[in-house]
Amino acid sequence: QKEVEQDPGPLSVPEGAIVSLNCTYSNSAFQYFMWYRQYSRKGPELLMYTYSSGNKEDGRFTAQVDKSSKYISLFIRDSQPSDSATYLCAMIPWSSASKIIFGSGTRLSIRP
Amino acid sequence: DVKVTQSSRYLVKRTGEKVFLECVQDMDHENMFWYRQDPGLGLRLIYFSYDVKMKEKGDIPEGYSVSREKKERFSLILESASTNQTSMYLCASSSLAGGYNEQFFGPGTRLTVL
Repeated sequence: QKEVEQDPGPLSVPEGAIVSLNCTYSNSAFQYFMWYRQYSRKGPELLMYTYSSGNKEDGRFTAQVDKSSKYISLFIRDSQPSDSATYLCAMIPWSSASKIIFGSGTRLSIRP
Repeated sequence: DVKVTQSSRYLVKRTGEKVFLECVQDMDHENMFWYRQDPGLGLRLIYFSYDVKMKEKGDIPEGYSVSREKKERFSLILESASTNQTSMYLCASSSLAGGYNEQFFGPGTRLTVL
């Protein structure tokens, strides 16, 4: 079983829809939770990160962490074609603040 | 802006060749990383380095070696390339650990081994 599970998609939604991207994990030692966005033919770039449980909002993006269920989500409101990318969840155990464990990524397409 | 550059965007090599992938960062970061990215498998850590001349194995180091002679440069070496090393290779850098420190990625090198 992988430490981090993420549905690969692809996920296709119309412009303006609310998008929900999710990951589950098995290691209860994970403390930092991140979402990276990767456009085609580019390296990943950090979109959001949270420490421990709770919600964090940044513009149209909301990251949610539920440590009791070992489940994290990224919500995108008013989705735009420019949001079309692969989204990777990522986590860090407390014992190793530099070593990141990545999900396999969900490919998202926003239809105009 | 942090910049991580990789020497090639696309590379085609033959089985058995020695392959060098170069990565340079301009933000004086202590940590540097090499990943490979494959469909359905996500990013997997090959090697990382916390300082010049220091290296540690990641999750899939077999068939690879690394070199870090200068702080800004981290090289990935495939001693004898094989077809199962065909992949996207991503380099990243970050500042010293102390809580979470964002990793900044380069654009990637798509390597094909024939």
